[in-house]
This record gives sequence, structure tokens and C-alpha cells, in this order.
Amino acid sequence: AQTVTQSQPEMSVQEAETVTLSCTYDTSESDYYLFWYKQPPSRQMILVIRQEAYKQQNATENRFSVNFQKAAKSFSLKISDSQLGDAAMYFCAYRSLLEIYNQGGKLIFGQGTELSVKP
Amino acid sequence: DSGVTQTPKHLITATGQRVTLRCSPRSGDLSVYWYQQSLDQGLQFLIHYYNGEERAKGNILERFSAQQFPDLHSELNLSSLELGDSALYFCASSVPPNPWDDTQYFGPGTRLTVL
Repeated sequence: AQTVTQSQPEMSVQEAETVTLSCTYDTSESDYYLFWYKQPPSRQMILVIRQEAYKQQNATENRFSVNFQKAAKSFSLKISDSQLGDAAMYFCAYRSLLEIYNQGGKLIFGQGTELSVKP
Repeated sequence: DSGVTQTPKHLITATGQRVTLRCSPRSGDLSVYWYQQSLDQGLQFLIHYYNGEERAKGNILERFSAQQFPDLHSELNLSSLELGDSALYFCASSVPPNPWDDTQYFGPGTRLTVL
């Protein structure tokens, strides 16, 4: 079974600085997707960024980028120029491509990292 | 706004009772996933429906059941409620599972409090 681990329950960053959130996962599959979701105080789950395992290039979305290390099964999220609105719980998630092909594809989430941004 | 709606937003009930949570997926999405977010268990997958058929089950208790109707909305039924069932329940929808467009869009959630 696949598992996702986020070892940092809480992180803090100064506004305008850069912060990196860590995520490791365990799987025997070679094809999958990895995601970072943001959950602000409103509790809405918002997709931040996704990475396809077959792509070597790291995904980037504006101030958000990932460092995907497939061999190490590591998937960290870097937030540059942190803003007050970035304060939220961040979840790393895994989705099996095989399950998607079989018309499924649940998300497996890590425990989350609570990010606070100091003005 | 993801386009996924969930009702009610909040639900307060007593132990032993039964409740129904409703989810309307985005227009055109055939897949509905239910997740539970609790303090001790984190975010867990419960069940997945695709075009009216159950596709996968996760850590869903026997006291819980779900269905997806012909109009594609889904309902999650929780019965014989216990204090530990208090949680935020999300549904998410996606287009027919497609490796090239697989984003799950989450609803705002239903917060269930069991007293």
C-alpha cells in the first residue's frame, strides 16, 4: 500500500522569504501523480501544484515549485516570496496512475504541515 | 469556487442518530469521491463512485454507506453515529478518470459534530 509522510507538523516563514515543505512517499509503482493541496482556515481544499512521475522536469506554478526526487521518493514544495495569504495547512498527496486507468484513483494524503507566515 | 457543492455546511446531531450528506459534482463530472478529515485520522478516502457505480472503498465503516444517483449527485449516509464520527466530510469530483485530466475538485465540506 502506498503511504505519504510529512514530517514537519508546523513551519513558519517570514513574509517575502522562501520556505520548503517536505514530503516523502512509499510506493512500488512507477507511474503516479503527486500533488500539493492547500487548506486555508476556510477549510476549502485548493490544488497548488501537481507533478507527473514520468516527467523529470520539476513542476512550477508562479511562486510555487517542487523538487521531485523519484529515486529518493521525495517531493518537497518551495514557496518563494511568501505572502500572508499563504498561511494554511499544506497536504502532500499521491495518486496511482494504474488506479486512474482502472477508472479509480483515490488521493492518499500526508498528515499535513501547518504553515504560518509572519509579517 | 470549485463548482462542487455540498450540503449542509454544518450538521450537529446526537449519538445514535443518522444523517445524510449531499454532494453535487461539477457539471459533466462522472466521478465522485468522499473523504473524511478528522483530527486523529487526518484526511482519509472513504468511497468512490463513477457514473452511479461504486468503484472503490477505503476506510469506510459499515455504519456508513453512499450512493450516486442518475443525476450524478451523491449522498453519504452515516448511521448509529458515535462521537468519533465528528469530522469534516469532503466530496470531490473529476471528469471520467483520465490520465491527462485527473484533477479532483473539492467541495467546501460538511462539518459534522456528534454530541
